[in-house]
Amino acid sequence: DADVTQTPRNRITKTGKRIMLECSQTKGHDRMYWYRQDPGLGLQLIYYSFDVKDINKGEISDGYSVSRQAQAKFSLSLESAIPNQTALYFCATSSSGSSYNEQFFGPGTRLTVL
Amino acid sequence: RKEVEQDPGPFNVPEGATVAFNCTYSNSASQSFFWYRQDCRKEPKLLMSVYSSGNEDGRFTAQLNRASQYISLLIRDSKLSDSATYLCVVLRYSNSGYALNFGKGTSLLVTP
Repeated sequence: DADVTQTPRNRITKTGKRIMLECSQTKGHDRMYWYRQDPGLGLQLIYYSFDVKDINKGEISDGYSVSRQAQAKFSLSLESAIPNQTALYFCATSSSGSSYNEQFFGPGTRLTVL
Repeated sequence: RKEVEQDPGPFNVPEGATVAFNCTYSNSASQSFFWYRQDCRKEPKLLMSVYSSGNEDGRFTAQLNRASQYISLLIRDSKLSDSATYLCVVLRYSNSGYALNFGKGTSLLVTP
């Protein structure tokens, strides 16, 4: 079984719709992250959470919101999707107990906004 | 200047060849360094963390030069299965928060 799972894996939606992407992990990690990846670009951090009561904006948080429902769950919402939010979205986890804070990624959600 | 820069490639090499990738980072306060591998349309997977003294894992060797702010990855005896994009990743904590910066990746194609 995958340690970090994301649902849905693929989603096509229309401009203006509200979308939620979900992430769950069984690694027991306390830290979770959401990234987006566009073709030819590096991954960009949207939001991150170091524990259940901690939410922080990343470099491209505008147009997104998150919820950390439990240590194992971190969801990303697009309140009103727009076409330039079409991208590959990754959830990642890491442990504060790790010296190097290596991150482990979920399989990704491919989102298309028409 | 981008915080992490890599040569995008592609690097086309024959099986068995040795290939080296370099990466530079702009912020001297960066604290941790990694190489990830990403296959097409898949998630990045941690290849190795890069330690200050350099480290080796099988055919892979990573080096860090803090003075020059660059990181390298050496792959010996390339296999067809090494074909992928290799991402250089740099972590920095600061008063303004946490930043994990990804390079755009270097593409490697190993041919028979």
